[in-house]
Amino acid sequence: EVQLVESGGGLVQPGGSLRLSCVASGFTFSTYSMNWVRQAPGKGLEWVSYINPSSSTILYADSVKGRFTISRDNGKSSLYLQMNSLRAEDTAIYYCVRNWNPDYWGQGTLVTVSS
Amino acid sequence: DVVMTQSPLSLPVTLGQPASISCRSSQSLVYSDGNTYLSWFQQRPGQSPRRLIYKVSNRDSGVPDRFSGSGSGTDFTLKISRVEAEDVGVYYCMQGTHWPRTFGQGTKVEIK
Repeated sequence: EVQLVESGGGLVQPGGSLRLSCVASGFTFSTYSMNWVRQAPGKGLEWVSYINPSSSTILYADSVKGRFTISRDNGKSSLYLQMNSLRAEDTAIYYCVRNWNPDYWGQGTLVTVSS
Repeated sequence: DVVMTQSPLSLPVTLGQPASISCRSSQSLVYSDGNTYLSWFQQRPGQSPRRLIYKVSNRDSGVPDRFSGSGSGTDFTLKISRVEAEDVGVYYCMQGTHWPRTFGQGTKVEIK
């Protein structure tokens, strides 16, 4: 069974940083591309970032480019999102999502940016 | 960016009756490999999204056959043949052909 478990969310002040993690199981993590997708409270879905299996291709939404960094550790079956210079509009549930054409989603971790 | 436009945004339905959601893209979703990467996701209240349909009309494993997808190019439809209580939630279309990936606004399905 495919499982994606996110962690690392919490309350952070504007301008602060946070690092999200996602641990994968139930499939061969090293052969799959991964994404981060977010959902602001009561709003729709927004794709945030993508990384291919070898980390040679990395993409970001314009809204986070230059502030967020996606990475992965295939040996630990883990995906990460380093978020810097956080803004109120980054407040959302952040989902770890498998595959270049998204299929499986984690349960999400809530990031709240507020003073 | 490819804009995905869903309609309606709210869909009250009677149990056992059919329901239909439209999704239109601002550009063709036909990829260079000939496939069309249009997916449908269901998000039940308080849950993560779950993929129902991929490549326009292919049901994911475990998805009831009352769900079906159709369409081509820029015009797509998700149909529920007979709505059940467990189908309540928000449905999103998503294009997987172009970067950045983009989603429709979501259609809220509720029981009348």
